[in-house]
Amino acid sequence: DQQVKQNSPSLSVQEGRISILNCDYTNSMFDYFLWYKKYPAEGPTFLISISSIKDKNEDGRFTVFLNKSAKHLSLHIVPSQPGDSAVYFCAASSALQTGANNLFFGTGTRLTVIP
Amino acid sequence: DSGVTQTPKHLITATGQRVTLRCSPRSGDLSVYWYQQSLDQGLQFLIQYYNGEERAKGNILERFSAQQFPDLHSELNLSSLELGDSALYFCASSAGTLRNNEQFFGPGTRLTVL
Repeated sequence: DQQVKQNSPSLSVQEGRISILNCDYTNSMFDYFLWYKKYPAEGPTFLISISSIKDKNEDGRFTVFLNKSAKHLSLHIVPSQPGDSAVYFCAASSALQTGANNLFFGTGTRLTVIP
Repeated sequence: DSGVTQTPKHLITATGQRVTLRCSPRSGDLSVYWYQQSLDQGLQFLIQYYNGEERAKGNILERFSAQQFPDLHSELNLSSLELGDSALYFCASSAGTLRNNEQFFGPGTRLTVL
């Protein structure tokens, strides 16, 4: 049962425009959400996170929005750059509730930024 | 470079065989996690160790086992291999077990079962 879902397998965006990647989750015990970025032949690398007590977190060109009532989060990248082309994974944790900080991952969205 | 190393990078074996995947965490990290990524799937959590002790368990098959040694490196043992075990296996490490302890991932071991 996939508790974290990324329904768009791929997304193409022009350089300089905004990229919006979406993620939905089903487990209401999730209290911490993360985005990871993955290049080919490498492991995922942490990008940005948000606690369930917030609805927005910003770090440079990256902003994550959380809508708890809709169980939905999104990652905005603006402006998008060719180097942002990668697979983006949404992940969630229920560490506060369960004491275990293992992550539940979505299936990923492949972002292509076109120069 | 995340500082997490995994060996081997690639492994090709036959059904019914047993293999061992190895992971060295970042210096100072006490927590090690194993994840499996099958084709077109997200990473699935298998098991976590913290300072030598099993901390959390995911959907890890009984044919799979892991351990963390006193020097904190970890091994994932996969036995009676089946075709469906073909996947990328990632190891990650973090300083501790708090939710905001960032997990750093190794490059993965690609296992192919023929």
